[in-house]
Amino acid sequence: DTAVSQTPKYLVTQMGNDKSIKCEQNLGHDTMYWYKQDSKKFLKIMFSYNNKELIINETVPNRFSPKSPDKAHLNLHINSLELGDSAVYFCACRGVDTDTQYFGPGTRLTVL
Amino acid sequence: AQTVTQSQPEMSVQEAETVTLSCTYDTSESDYYLFWYKQPPSRQMILVIRQEAYKQQNATENRFSVNFQKAAKSFSLKISDSQLGDAAMYFCAYRRLFGNEKLTFGTGTRLTIIP
Repeated sequence: DTAVSQTPKYLVTQMGNDKSIKCEQNLGHDTMYWYKQDSKKFLKIMFSYNNKELIINETVPNRFSPKSPDKAHLNLHINSLELGDSAVYFCACRGVDTDTQYFGPGTRLTVL
Repeated sequence: AQTVTQSQPEMSVQEAETVTLSCTYDTSESDYYLFWYKQPPSRQMILVIRQEAYKQQNATENRFSVNFQKAAKSFSLKISDSQLGDAAMYFCAYRRLFGNEKLTFGTGTRLTIIP
């Protein structure tokens, strides 16, 4: 069983569209994250949720809206996609009894 | 704000040899965690090793070990008996012990294994 899964793995879309990336974890962890990896491979935190509550929002544009329907899911919705949004987006999670974050396989988003 | 620096964008090593990847960080905290993650071409982020700053003993995981120098704020990764499967991007990361628990990553080192 995959611990952290993301769908889709690849997403190609036109500028201006709205898209969502889904993340699910089956580890029973309380905290989930979204990271963005740019074309130079630099990874940066975007959001963090703990028990469905937003706890980190790292100056991400309002076009990005995370949604956590339950502890096991943290979805990322992006409105009005721009060329600069092209990147790999990683979901991750961490439990209260561990200091390690476990990552999903990533979603490569390409905006044309 | 915490920063993590990896000064070697690329490294290469002969198969079966040993290589050391460097990482330095800046923080005013006294307790924190440090990690090395590996990202192979499959792009999956895989935890290699972690170190708690309050532990003086260097962490070891099979062929992977760290040299943690807290005073120097240095956290290097040593890979012994390098294997072809070790070829990947390696990222050093920092996390506070309490509070904002995001991972702050370095810019990565691309490791090539020469057969």
